[in-house]
Amino acid sequence: DAGITQSPRYKITETGRQVTLMCHQTWSHSYMFWYRQDLGHGLRLIYYSAAADITDKGEVPDGYVVSRSKTENFPLTLESATRSQTSVYFCASGLDRGRSYEQYFGPGTRLTVT
Amino acid sequence: EDKVVQSPLSLVVHEGDTVTLNCSYEVTNFRSLLWYKQEKKAPTFLFMLTSSGIEKKSGRLSSILDKKELFSILNITATQTGDSAIYLCAIGANNLFFGTGTRLTVIP
Repeated sequence: DAGITQSPRYKITETGRQVTLMCHQTWSHSYMFWYRQDLGHGLRLIYYSAAADITDKGEVPDGYVVSRSKTENFPLTLESATRSQTSVYFCASGLDRGRSYEQYFGPGTRLTVT
Repeated sequence: EDKVVQSPLSLVVHEGDTVTLNCSYEVTNFRSLLWYKQEKKAPTFLFMLTSSGIEKKSGRLSSILDKKELFSILNITATQTGDSAIYLCAIGANNLFFGTGTRLTVIP
């Protein structure tokens, strides 16, 4: 089915472990984004990508790594998870730059770091 | 520093009431203002506004932007329990910058 999917939907991990959150979209949108959502902060941009092999930092990139070897996939890796990275993570995709603000969100991944 | 402030933080109304949600902003390189609705999962797109004074409407929801006074309002008329959600305002500048949202609860 067309759309944007994330996996896993729920993840519990320990401090110091590496975790990768997956995002896949079938719309062929050029732009993809990773956000985290925390109480009191709303949605904050972690990283975004304008196209395959092009990525850039958002508002809160520290502790995260992204890659985009294929247009449809945009994985987010926490290299050494910390408790402060406990959050709900949303992946989103959007059209060309003029309309990339109209973003479509995946269902989210709830990550707990113990 | 870019800032998006939404008010009220939360709101409880009865079915049939009309509500107005507010979003004020201070951002550099403003390009658009967007409204999203978030129920228990992902935000879903409602409106994108780029020009002042032009009302966008979708059913019982409408929104307008004032670029001079740097704010937008989202109106919902004849509210229903299905309107219960968090409503997010976001500014399209270099990227999307979100406010913390208004939590609307509609009581039957």
